[in-house]
Amino acid sequence: DADVTQTPRNRITKTGKRIMLECSQTKGHDRMYWYRQDPGLGLRLIYYSFDVKDINKGEISDGYSVSRQAQAKFSLSLESAIPNQTALYFCATSDSRQGDTEAFFGQGTRLTVV
Amino acid sequence: GIQVEQSPPDLILQEGANSTLRCNFSDSVNNLQWFHQNPWGQLINLFYIPSGTKQNGRLSATTVATERYSLLYISSSQTTDSGVYFCAVGVNTDKLIFGTGTRLQVFP
Repeated sequence: DADVTQTPRNRITKTGKRIMLECSQTKGHDRMYWYRQDPGLGLRLIYYSFDVKDINKGEISDGYSVSRQAQAKFSLSLESAIPNQTALYFCATSDSRQGDTEAFFGQGTRLTVV
Repeated sequence: GIQVEQSPPDLILQEGANSTLRCNFSDSVNNLQWFHQNPWGQLINLFYIPSGTKQNGRLSATTVATERYSLLYISSSQTTDSGVYFCAVGVNTDKLIFGTGTRLQVFP
């Protein structure tokens, strides 16, 4: 089983709909992240959380919100989806207590807004 | 903010060939990772290498932190090596800044 699991893996939704992407991890890491990838580009940071009560905006947070329900769960919401939010979304984790800061990624969620 | 540039943007090889991918970054970093994104979109960790040299099978990587670059070497390329290779760096925190990637195609 994957250490960082994203659900759903694929989703098609209509403009204006609310949608939630979920991420859970079994690595025991304290830090979690949401990234977005557009075709032909690298990943960009949307939101990140260093602990359960810590939420921080990333580079491209407009139009998104997050919730850190537990150390192992971090969800991303699009309150009113728009077509330019069509992208591949990745959740990631890292552990601040280790000597290194290596990040580990989920399998990705392919979201299409029509 | 920090800039991450990868070269070349595209690379086409025949199976068995060797290649070198480069990542330049504009500031000191405390995290540098190389990833392979396979054709299904999954990101696979290759190396965590903020400095020094590491090897894993046919792949190796070297980061010269003082000169702000990292190199990924792929030897004896296989068709399964095809995909996009990303370099990502972190400065003082572990938020990663990604380059735009090198797209590798390996033909039999």
